Parts: sequence; structure tokens; C-alpha cells
Amino acid sequence: DIVMTQSPDSLPVSLGERATISCKSSQSLLHSFNNKNFLAWYQQKPGQPPKLLIYWASTRQSGVPERFSGSGSGTDFTLTISSLQAEDVAVYYCQQYYSTLYTFGQGTKLEIK
Amino acid sequence: QVRLVQSESELKKPGASVRISCQASRYTFTNYAIHWVRLAPGQGLEWMGWINTNTGNPMYAQDFTGRFVFSLDTSVSTAYLQISSLKAEDTAVYYCARDADVGWVDYWGQGTLVTVSS
Repeated sequence: DIVMTQSPDSLPVSLGERATISCKSSQSLLHSFNNKNFLAWYQQKPGQPPKLLIYWASTRQSGVPERFSGSGSGTDFTLTISSLQAEDVAVYYCQQYYSTLYTFGQGTKLEIK
Repeated sequence: QVRLVQSESELKKPGASVRISCQASRYTFTNYAIHWVRLAPGQGLEWMGWINTNTGNPMYAQDFTGRFVFSLDTSVSTAYLQISSLKAEDTAVYYCARDADVGWVDYWGQGTLVTVSS
């Protein structure tokens, strides 16, 4: 199975500041047939199901605020929130869909400093 | 708007079985796979597997083979997760979710809490 490792586990950030979450995969997620990275990011708030933020590593889902962006390629990926808002407090997960056996990272809990 | 509506919370004793339903609406059910994801207390999301809603063929993550079974009733656009021989460590919220047909998941059910306790 492809192992996804996020860092940090917990991230305190001040309102208005930038938040950066890292996700590393145990093998490359860049597929040669379409030159895209098979990686998605989700946000989960307490008591709610996860919400899709980003797919193809950097494509923002419709309706997701522009302050959320994804970057990276191969085995190293980043989710960036450019200016943290109070409503962004949540747990964030990366997920690979390169393999038919999908896997999630362990999650990063984003909180207000 | 696509909807996935899951069955209500369940309280079960160890050794019992449970079946969770996930009813889809507002799209063609057999065109998109359904995934199952677990969120245990204090843990992160775990991908359990998925089922091809066109063929009925399931695929299970390594940790979810044996006691976990995915099934369908396409006549009512519903997917099911059955868990047998329940253990305390199966206590979790179970989510169904729709595959966007490319790999990521775009719509989620509201989650079903299964509590296993004597």
C-alpha cells in the first residue's frame, strides 16, 4: 500500500497568517498517462463529514475559497492557506488515488494560536 | 444536488452484526463507485474500500477484509456496509462517499455512528 505521511500532526497558526501542511507519499503519485498527480486534500470539521478541497494536487474544487491552494509533485505535496480564518479550524487530510487501494494521511489538526 | 443519506446510529453488543445503509439520490447510482471510510475516536480517516456500483465488485483495504462486506441494491440506489463479529474497536463513525469517477471523493454521507459496548 502507498503510505501517506503528513506533518505536522498539529499546527497552531494566528488569524490572518499563512498555514502550510505537508504530505509525503511512499511512492510517486505522478502518473505518466496524463502527467497529473493523483492526490486530493480534504477538510473535516468536528461532527461533519469531510469536504473535498483540492484534487489533482492543485485543482481547487468548485466553491472552495481562493486562500486554499495545493502544490507539489511526485512524492511531496503541500496544502497552503494563505490567510487563516476562524472557520478554517479543522483537521486536514491528504489522500492518494494513484493506487486502487486508496490511502489517507493521518491528518493535521489546524488550530488558532 | 447529489445526496447520500445514511442510516441512523447503532448500539450493538460485542459479537453482533450491523448493517449500515447509504441511499443515493439525484444522480445515476450505477455510474459512480461508492467508498466506505471509518473515523474512530481520536483517530484519523481510514479508507475501508470501495464497491463498483455497475458490476457489484468490491475492493477492500487490507485492514478491512473478512468481517466487512460491501453490497448493493441498485433498484433503490443503496449501498450497504455489513460488519460481523463486532468488537469494541469497531466503535466509529462510518461514512459512505461517492467517487468522482476519476479517483477523489466528491460527495459524502452524513456518517453513521456505530457503538459496540456490552
